[in-house]
Amino acid sequence: AAGVIQSPRHLIKEKRETATLKCYPIPRHDTVYWYQQGPGQDPQFLISFYEKMQSDKGSIPDRFSAQQFSDYHSELNMSSLELGDSALYFCASSSGLAGGPSTDTQYFGPGTRLTVL
Amino acid sequence: DQQVKQNSPSLSVQEGRISILNCDYTNSMFDYFLWYKKYPAEGPTFLISISSIKDKNEDGRFTVFLNKSAKHLSLHIVPSQPGDSAVYFCAAYSQGAQKLVFGQGTRLTINP
Repeated sequence: AAGVIQSPRHLIKEKRETATLKCYPIPRHDTVYWYQQGPGQDPQFLISFYEKMQSDKGSIPDRFSAQQFSDYHSELNMSSLELGDSALYFCASSSGLAGGPSTDTQYFGPGTRLTVL
Repeated sequence: DQQVKQNSPSLSVQEGRISILNCDYTNSMFDYFLWYKKYPAEGPTFLISISSIKDKNEDGRFTVFLNKSAKHLSLHIVPSQPGDSAVYFCAAYSQGAQKLVFGQGTRLTINP
């Protein structure tokens, strides 16, 4: 079965550079979530989109922005990168508000490991 | 404010025995709970879930128990296998929030 696809899988950037992470949800999923997991930490929710509109916002820095496109893929844009941004960035998708609990389960992508030097 | 807590950062269990992973939560608005398993450098993989209207859900070797009055849930794995060695995250969800709140994770090690 198709899963959530994230690209790139690994990314190395220098401080003050920008990075763009991409997420392609499971087909027919209309909701995308972004999480950041620092070394030794639990995943922290960043932001989510439902039907191309921002649906919720968590601990996302102002230097980051995200959007969901018409094909439901999402991009997380990160500017003025800092050393502390080094983390695993997970994208998850679900079928959003339409179904019951089983369809609201989030399915995670493999993650993008961002290293800021 | 940690709404979902996994107080044991690690757990070691002998192969073939039962593994019990615990999770506590503080927000009574959570109405759905999930367990995820995570291997190093991979995304979390969904394991099993339970709705707040139930107190038990079973899927093969995995059983999740929910005690709403105590705001506590647990994941039982029996029998434990070496491939079960991973970090296990408890997560809680509310329909209104449309996002998961994760616990800190428990690293489970199954010893042969």
